Amino acid sequence: RKEVEQDPGPFNVPEGATVAFNCTYSNSASQSFFWYRQDCRKEPKLLMSVYSSGNEDGRFTAQLNRASQYISLLIRDSKLSDSATYLCVVNGPSGNAGKSTFGDGTTLTVKP
Amino acid sequence: NAGVTQTPKFQVLKTGQSMTLQCAQDMNHEYMSWYRQDPGMGLRLIHYSVGAGITDQGEVPNGYNVSRSTTEDFPLRLLSAAPSQTSVYFCASSPGANVLTFGAGSRLTVL
Repeated sequence: RKEVEQDPGPFNVPEGATVAFNCTYSNSASQSFFWYRQDCRKEPKLLMSVYSSGNEDGRFTAQLNRASQYISLLIRDSKLSDSATYLCVVNGPSGNAGKSTFGDGTTLTVKP
Repeated sequence: NAGVTQTPKFQVLKTGQSMTLQCAQDMNHEYMSWYRQDPGMGLRLIHYSVGAGITDQGEVPNGYNVSRSTTEDFPLRLLSAAPSQTSVYFCASSPGANVLTFGAGSRLTVL
C-alpha cells in the first residue's frame, strides 16, 4: 500500500462546477499536510496547508480527518485556470519537510 | 531573489555516463531534498538533507549520491546512468517543518 493515495482521476468538469479530491495516508504519526498544484511540465507549488480545524482560501477548502487519516480539497466555482494536477503531500512523524511524501496526483481539467 | 536554482534544465546522457545535477538555494533553508517524477506519477524522494554535512536516503536512492558541504548547495550525482533514470528531477528546500520550495526541474534522458 502506498503511503499517500489519491483519487486517480482525471476529473473533467465544466466551469462553475464544484469538485472534490480525496487523499488518504497510512502513517498515523504524520504531522503536517499540504495540497500542492502542478501545472504541466512545471514544478509543484504550494496551494494550501491543511489543518485539523479545516481551512479555506477563497474558492478552496481543505479538511483533515486524523481519525480516518483522510485529507480533502474542495474547489468551488471552478475556473479554466484551475486546470492542473493536484498533489497531496504528507510530512512524516518528525514533521520536517525534508522527507515529504507525495501522492501520485489528481488531474483536473475545467472546460468552458 | 532566485529561490531554488537547478542546472542543467535539460541533459541527454548515454548509458554508463556519469553527471551531476546542481541545486542551489539562497534562502538559508536547512532542509533540501531531491525528487524524481516519472510520467503520470507523483514525486519520489531520492535523498534529503537536514543541514550541512547531513544527508540521508529517501525512497529511491540507488544509483544516486549526494553531499551537503554548504547550506546553499545540494548536488545530485548519477554514478553510471541507466535508461531507468530517465525522469524529471526536482530539487526542493524548506526552512523546516514547513512547505517546500521547488526548483524548475531538470529533465534527464538516458539513451
